Order: sequence, then C-alpha cells, then structure tokens
Amino acid sequence: DAGITQSPRHKVTETGTPVTLRCHQTENHRYMYWYRQDPGHGLRLIHYSYGVKDTDKGEVSDGYSVSRSKTEDFLLTLESATSSQTSVYFCAISIGGASGDEQYFGPGTRLTVT
Amino acid sequence: DQQVKQNSPSLSVQEGRISILNCDYTNSMFDYFLWYKKYPAEGPTFLISISSIKDKNEDGRFTVFLNKSAKHLSLHIVPSQPGDSAVYFCAASAEAGNNRKLIWGLGTSLAVNP
Repeated sequence: DAGITQSPRHKVTETGTPVTLRCHQTENHRYMYWYRQDPGHGLRLIHYSYGVKDTDKGEVSDGYSVSRSKTEDFLLTLESATSSQTSVYFCAISIGGASGDEQYFGPGTRLTVT
Repeated sequence: DQQVKQNSPSLSVQEGRISILNCDYTNSMFDYFLWYKKYPAEGPTFLISISSIKDKNEDGRFTVFLNKSAKHLSLHIVPSQPGDSAVYFCAASAEAGNNRKLIWGLGTSLAVNP
C-alpha cells in the first residue's frame, strides 16, 4: 500500500464548469502522475510531476493543468470541463529510486461531464 | 502509433490451467517491462517486471518471459485461479530525460472459469 488517496471518488459536473481532482500521498515520493483510462485507449498520461513545482506534460495534456505546491499533493484541474473529459482518472506515484519504473496507483476518480 | 501492443483483447481459461498473456513492442530503447493487473473500480496494481538484461523473471505463480530479438514478452500464470480474472496491462519504459515514463498497452481481459 503506497498510501495514495484520490478525492473525490465520483463526480458529475456540467460542461463548462471547472473541476479539480486531488491526489494525496503519505510517503513523500518524488514522482507523481495523472492518467485517464478510457475504453479502447488503455491508460494515457495527462501530466506528471518530478518534484514540488516541477511538472511536465504527458500525451493528452490539452484541457488539463496541474499543480504541486507540496510533495504530498498533486492537483489536476479541468479549467472548463467538456464531455470528452468524461473518464476515470488515476493518480500514481513512483517509488523505485530516481527513475521510478514501478508506479503505484490510487483508487481512481470517476468523472462524468454532462 | 502504438509502441506497446496487446493484440488479444480477451482470454478465457479453465481454472488450474495455464494463462498466457502476450505483449509486443516496437521501440528497441525500452529497457524495462512491467505487468499490471486491474480489477473493476480499482486502480491498476503492479504484478511483476523484467529488465531487458534478463529473459525470465518468476514470482510465485507468475512468470514473465522476454524475447528481445522478437520484441515480445509474455506473462504466464500457472495454475490459473478464478481470482486472477482481471484486465492485465503490459507497460514498458525507457530513459526519457528527466523522468522515465511508462508506455501502456490496451490491456487483455482474462476470465478464469471454475
């Protein structure tokens, strides 16, 4: 158990509203990731962080922003939610040293944009 | 362009028999490979991994084989149990500047029938 929690676990929101998802870890790991999972697409990386205030884009970053002001929290924001952002969102951390190949996942947030 | 391919979307096996899940990759720079298991409504959980300097890694009922010349790896589960029924993801990583990112396959849904 890597001590990862996500909140909220479920959310329904309307198109055009801002949404923030939170990932919290208890063990001060350096690397944190946000993925989305959709049928037919597997897991796709949205953004990741390699330290406080250090973030970078993944393969599907358009429409999303992230912030990491503390080691333990990694926030994902949808500035103006669209129906195409309906998905299950997973946060992950790396614990395998500097490179961190092995990632450990939170329980997920199911987001529905109506 | 999928760099990690799991060509079988689903697999059905009898309890007690062997399950073989396959994964192909195209990027010769990948040097670490991982398998994850995912149950519905949960995050993926790390199962087993293998470095490119090895051709086999075993952990209990789970064995991963790597054939670098064929750019192919497989996960063997022996004996299969009903609790192994889940979606299995193959992932690969390579050095990428500041961070190592995982590239994911689309998953194979395994059903182990009693």
